[in-house]
Amino acid sequence: GENVEQHPSTLSVQEGDSAVIKCTYSDSASNYFPWYKQELGKRPQLIIDIRSNVGEKKDQRIAVTLNKTAKHFSLHITETQPEDSAVYFCAARPWGTGFQKLVFGTGTRLLVSP
Amino acid sequence: SQTIHQWPATLVQPVGSPLSLECTVEGTSNPNLYWYRQAAGRGLQLLFYSVGIGQISSEVPQNLSASRPQDRQFILSSKKLLLSDSGFYLCAGYQGTEQFFGPGTRLTVL
Repeated sequence: GENVEQHPSTLSVQEGDSAVIKCTYSDSASNYFPWYKQELGKRPQLIIDIRSNVGEKKDQRIAVTLNKTAKHFSLHITETQPEDSAVYFCAARPWGTGFQKLVFGTGTRLLVSP
Repeated sequence: SQTIHQWPATLVQPVGSPLSLECTVEGTSNPNLYWYRQAAGRGLQLLFYSVGIGQISSEVPQNLSASRPQDRQFILSSKKLLLSDSGFYLCAGYQGTEQFFGPGTRLTVL
């Protein structure tokens, strides 16, 4: 089955700096990779996702890159702000219809200091 | 669009007591539903999933069970809670390709 590893477990940056969180996956059948943000005491919420037919996707200050050959994908946050402070989870699963289990990484706690 | 409701929002229970957490879904029919647990400061652990009424798959052996008595209802239960059952329990579904989560139930076992 799929195994997703995520690094680092904690990340502290100064406001305005960039933050990068990296994940690796094991199952070459995985081709859908979402990222979730979880604020303290709240539910995880999808912030961006990428499918294996593209190498990069951007949404304002957030971008995700994917290297299928190396089986790793990364979340990039530019111009970080204090409200970016949260726990971020990566995940992976095969694309398609029917039941497909989403496998999550262990999370990265991002702290953005003013 | 779909909405997931969870009840209760918070719960404090003594060790050895029973548990019943409810998840209901609006805005869809025959959804795939999931129960996750998140221990304090930890990641998301998939406990159970269900593709339809009466169909339950367990991901990890544990002190918990799940049931799907109705199409849009998913229940997590225990006969006797353990201290290690404490955590944040999240029900989840899919909207298109996106897995989305209910508001969660925070369970503290004392």
